[in-house]
Amino acid sequence: AQSVTQLGSHVSVSEGALVLLRCNYSSSVPPYLFWYVQYPNQGLQLLLKYTSAATLVKGINGFEAEFKKSETSFHLTKPSAHMSDAAEYFCAVILPGVFGNEKLTFGTGTRLTIIP
Amino acid sequence: DVKVTQSSRYLVKRTGEKVFLECVQDMDHENMFWYRQDPGLGLRLIYFSYDVKMKEKGDIPEGYSVSREKKERFSLILESASTNQTSMYLCASSFYRGGETQYFGPGTRLLVL
Repeated sequence: AQSVTQLGSHVSVSEGALVLLRCNYSSSVPPYLFWYVQYPNQGLQLLLKYTSAATLVKGINGFEAEFKKSETSFHLTKPSAHMSDAAEYFCAVILPGVFGNEKLTFGTGTRLTIIP
Repeated sequence: DVKVTQSSRYLVKRTGEKVFLECVQDMDHENMFWYRQDPGLGLRLIYFSYDVKMKEKGDIPEGYSVSREKKERFSLILESASTNQTSMYLCASSFYRGGETQYFGPGTRLLVL
């Protein structure tokens, strides 16, 4: 079984400041991990994905995330926040190659607010 | 670009009505999924399908059914809508290989009165 915990349902940062959104996972086998973003009244869009290659993954819009097995974490960061980053962010986990378990398990989401 | 479309963005129905939510994908994906999204609960899987005419229950299937008669189309059915089914419904699709990215539609916001 797998699960994801996102610490902080709401995060506020000033424009230009560092964005850090936290995600911890639990899984019985090496997982794949995802970050998705949801802008108001839209579906989810993939930001980035970890698939057991490089531990530092770069995504769209300047975001990146680092897979740390020892900490079971996959935190999302961006060096300088922009007003357009205001959205809800979801971390998700899947167990690849486990037949019958092609299901994404999502965290509860973190709403990011950017302060002008 | 992968495109997943949903038949309605907003829907208002009355308690007891039968409700159909349609999802179509244009990338020849084998897997299709229906989620509901509620504040503070994230996304929860209702049903998914590996292939035409195949379906599997997700985490919260009660009160829902699905239909997949064609590979590109996956329908979610609320047999008798209830107020606790007011929610955002998201459809997604992916290739049938372990760990493939799921692509999402824009969502249908359903209000049951």
